[in-house]
Amino acid sequence: SQTIHQWPATLVQPVGSPLSLECTVEGTSNPNLYWYRQAAGRGLQLLFYSVGIGQISSEVPQNLSASRPQDRQFILSSKKLLLSDSGFYLCAWSREGETQYFGPGTRLLVL
Amino acid sequence: GESVGLHLPTLSVQEGDNSIINCAYSNSASDYFIWYKQESGKGPQFIIDIRSNMDKRQGQRVTVLLNKTVKHLSLQIAATQPGDSAVYFCAELFGNEKLTFGTGTRLTIIP
Repeated sequence: SQTIHQWPATLVQPVGSPLSLECTVEGTSNPNLYWYRQAAGRGLQLLFYSVGIGQISSEVPQNLSASRPQDRQFILSSKKLLLSDSGFYLCAWSREGETQYFGPGTRLLVL
Repeated sequence: GESVGLHLPTLSVQEGDNSIINCAYSNSASDYFIWYKQESGKGPQFIIDIRSNMDKRQGQRVTVLLNKTVKHLSLQIAATQPGDSAVYFCAELFGNEKLTFGTGTRLTIIP
């Protein structure tokens, strides 16, 4: 069966510090991968998605970037965090045309 | 742009009763719909899906109904339990692998 992992689970970072969140998927190959952000009590905002290694599509202009160095690894990064980057970050995977399955999420608080 | 919306932001149901969560969508070309359940502090969990060539699909205690004429989707949960308390999101998929999520309905089960 397939599993998706995210770490860390929670993170508190000062404004201006860098960020690296990691997501890995097990049990499948060549998945589509996604990064979402969810503000408290709100819906899901798609940030990036990838259909293959090195292929990244950005949905909204922002202070964040994504990379896919391996087939089942998806990384969300920032060089300098802003207060507005606080939120709940979710990684998801899917096969083409099928359901997206979400990871447990990373709660980021920027102070 | 087109989006998925929900009729009610909150819903309270007596334990043991049935609950119905509604969702309106505006993209008549969407061909795949998914319901997710999100508990506090966790990632969304897949509940059930339905393709546009169907109008009903049943799972364990859950039924999804799709009315393409009025572009309406509903999730029925039978014999609700305390563990059903969560935020429920509908999502639609059209074409390019990017899900469009509704804002969510918070379901509270009253003991």
